[in-house]
Amino acid sequence: DAGITQSPRHKVTETGTPVTLRCHQTENHRYMYWYRQDPGHGLRLIHYSYGVKDTDKGEVSDGYSVSRSKTEDFLLTLESATSSQTSVYFCAISELTGTGELFFGEGSRLTVL
Amino acid sequence: QQQVKQSPQSLIVQKGGISIINCAYENTAFDYFPWYQQFPGKGPALLIAIRPDVSEKKEGRFTISFNKSAKQFSLHIMDSQPGDSATYFCAASSQTGANNLFFGTGTRLTVIP
Repeated sequence: DAGITQSPRHKVTETGTPVTLRCHQTENHRYMYWYRQDPGHGLRLIHYSYGVKDTDKGEVSDGYSVSRSKTEDFLLTLESATSSQTSVYFCAISELTGTGELFFGEGSRLTVL
Repeated sequence: QQQVKQSPQSLIVQKGGISIINCAYENTAFDYFPWYQQFPGKGPALLIAIRPDVSEKKEGRFTISFNKSAKQFSLHIMDSQPGDSATYFCAASSQTGANNLFFGTGTRLTVIP
């Protein structure tokens, strides 16, 4: 299995509080991604990174920000969590672009009350 | 707007039967079509993938059929086994851009012993 660690794995928080999810990789892959998974929607890309300090928005980026200060770490921040952000969040990494082969972490389940 | 449409949402198949999951897309720039398999509590993992220069790709019991003119592709699981019970996602991406995959909404497959 690819060396991807997500933390925390489970979190319950209240509306309006900030939340940060962490993705740590030991594979030295260039590309890192944050997806959210919701019933009826599949997996949707939130943000991605193509290098240290190089990030871009995905299809559902509103309400989320990311940072990548080191190759191995990619942080997803919800500045002020809302109930609509209750979801399972997956981090993914890939070595090359264009192949589409992503390696996923085991997910972080976030509940916003 | 769903870039990749997947059906059915759920599928129940007898052991030894054939499971068929279908996907359709509109963006003709897509040139990579992977299928991901996800077990409960785990992240998705690449199962098999195809590029549009071939109409079929087979790996063991898993086959992708691709119809470029119809903009459709499907996954066939031959001799389905209870261990195949999982959620399957089709996806599509383009060589341009940062390897961003667009996923279908998923199909929950249950194989009955």
